[in-house]
Amino acid sequence: AQSVTQLDSHVSVSEGTPVLLRCNYSSSYSPSLFWYVQHPNKGLQLLLKYTSAATLVKGINGFEAEFKKSETSFHLTKPSAHMSDAAEYFCVVSDPSGSSNTGKLIFGQGTTLQVKP
Amino acid sequence: DTAVSQTPKYLVTQMGNDKSIKCEQNLGHDTMYWYKQDSKKFLKIMFSYNNKELIINETVPNRFSPKSPDKAHLNLHINSLELGDSAVYFCASSRRDSYNEQFFGPGTRLTVL
Repeated sequence: AQSVTQLDSHVSVSEGTPVLLRCNYSSSYSPSLFWYVQHPNKGLQLLLKYTSAATLVKGINGFEAEFKKSETSFHLTKPSAHMSDAAEYFCVVSDPSGSSNTGKLIFGQGTTLQVKP
Repeated sequence: DTAVSQTPKYLVTQMGNDKSIKCEQNLGHDTMYWYKQDSKKFLKIMFSYNNKELIINETVPNRFSPKSPDKAHLNLHINSLELGDSAVYFCASSRRDSYNEQFFGPGTRLTVL
């Protein structure tokens, strides 16, 4: 079965410093992995996705993530945090049902990113 | 021009009542989903419909009944509401061949008193 574990429930950084949100996955085959962001009282927005192409994936708002199969990790990074980055971040793995056209997303527990001025 | 919209945004009701949450998408997608986000922000899929056909039905109590009148709408009806149903419910949609990339609505915060 597919699963993801986000290693930190809460991360606090100062504005202008790097961001690292950690995620480990478990999958019985080559996974598709995603990061979603949820701003307060808003829906979820896709930040970036990995689907077996380049292992370093660039997303919106300066975020990127690197797929490391040997470490079963898909950590999210950003060189310099901005106040507007404060939000909840979810690492997600896909769980296909056996058909390429159907399936579901399995969400991690979420990491709250706090950005201090 | 909202892509995935839900109504209402907030819903406060008494235990035992029946309520519905509506979802509409104007993206031309074939597949729609309902997710439940609990108080610890954990998100879990409840249902998915593909062109009005039920595809995924997780272990959700049968008090929850999704209804898809057409592929642009997926409503969630909940009977005999319980305290534990309090949560934020998100609707999402995707293309039929790309369930990986889902677009989410703003959520409906349901509070059962």
